[in-house]
Amino acid sequence: QVQLVQSGAEVKRPGSSVKVSCEASGGSFNTYPISWVRQAPGQGLEWMGGIIPIFDSPYYAQKFQGRVTINADKSTSTGYMELRSLRSEDTAVYYCARGGIIGTMGWFDPWGQGTLVTVSS
Amino acid sequence: EIVLTQSPGTLSLSPGERATLSCRASQSVSSYSLAWYQQKPGQAPRLLIYGASSRATGIPDRFSGSGSGTDFTLTISSLEPEDFAVYYCQQYGSSPTFGQGTKVQIK
Repeated sequence: QVQLVQSGAEVKRPGSSVKVSCEASGGSFNTYPISWVRQAPGQGLEWMGGIIPIFDSPYYAQKFQGRVTINADKSTSTGYMELRSLRSEDTAVYYCARGGIIGTMGWFDPWGQGTLVTVSS
Repeated sequence: EIVLTQSPGTLSLSPGERATLSCRASQSVSSYSLAWYQQKPGQAPRLLIYGASSRATGIPDRFSGSGSGTDFTLTISSLEPEDFAVYYCQQYGSSPTFGQGTKVQIK
């Protein structure tokens, strides 16, 4: 049973960057995609992008292209999401989630516990 | 990008009643590539249904999904107290997108 454990909460200044990690344990890491989904306070879910570790090729939602970098370290079964040029609207809980199909982003299961990123001056 | 529109926004029902949630796509979703999630306050979403109608592991059979193309439905046959939550649909036939959610609340 795969489990995803994310890094802890962050408080960042506007204009800075944040990097969130997601460590997988208990199952295959390389062949299933890892996606990043965020949820602003009181709002819905928003897919930011994902990566299939074995291909090392990330996919990004158009909205975040140029501002986000997603990568993975196969040696430690850890995925990373870095978001740059932070603004207050980026305040959200950021989730990692494993894709359910090999080769495409697919559905998401399981999910990490979430990382709250607060952007405030 | 495929836009998913969920309706209604809020559903007020009593335990034991049937819940019917709708998810409509702005264009056809390929190969039944639609999933449903349940989310409770302070928790990560939980996968309920994938492939439009396949229940995820451990999901009770009171949850069922149906539909194809642009119209999909999640049905909860008889609401249990723990089913009151927000439900999201998600398509993965192309770049993934989510619906805005339907809140199922106690009447």
